[in-house]
Amino acid sequence: DTEVTQTPKHLVMGMTNKKSLKCEQHMGHRAMYWYKQKAKKPPELMFVYSYEKLSINESVPSRFSPECPNSSLLNLHLHALQPEDSALYLCASSSTTTGFSPLHFGNGTRLTVT
Amino acid sequence: GDSVTQMEGPVTLSEEAFLTINCTYTATGYPSLFWYVQYPGEGLQLLLKATKADDKGSNKGFEATYRKETTSFHLEKGSVQVSDSAVYFCALTLDSGNTGKLIFGQGTTLQVKP
Repeated sequence: DTEVTQTPKHLVMGMTNKKSLKCEQHMGHRAMYWYKQKAKKPPELMFVYSYEKLSINESVPSRFSPECPNSSLLNLHLHALQPEDSALYLCASSSTTTGFSPLHFGNGTRLTVT
Repeated sequence: GDSVTQMEGPVTLSEEAFLTINCTYTATGYPSLFWYVQYPGEGLQLLLKATKADDKGSNKGFEATYRKETTSFHLEKGSVQVSDSAVYFCALTLDSGNTGKLIFGQGTTLQVKP
């Protein structure tokens, strides 16, 4: 069982919709991440939160808006997406952002934009 | 820049065969090295890690040794099972960067046949 829980598991949305992806962890980790994974490719980093503050934004388009309401929760708000944004969105957490701390991934939300 | 190179797949083996998946890296600092596994329809799971030269990570019969002299972290298993069929990602993170950013290889698909 994964210790990082993501909801929903699947999401289909139109290009004019607004939706949110949610992620929760109860391991006491202070760093949380959003990754995007296209088929047969490695995950690509989108955002990093460290101690509930956004520390890295990998030049992600503004139609993706992250939010970290508290140390256990991470949201990704979606608005006006494009079909090419269809992918598996993975949340991850780690105890800190130091190199010794492995990431723990959720099972992802498979997003389809129509 | 920092990067990870994995052998291209897919790798197809018969059950009980010996597995090697090659991974080499380029890094300016002192990386921590990881192997992650992704089963179909799931997120990534940490398989093993090594944080300094000559460390050996091991888990579930898989092993990898951090070789600084050859900048390698090859994954091995003595006897694979059908249940090992998955995509395997080699990755590094730099402690000096303190960003938590994982740099992934392209992934190697392993298919084990009965």
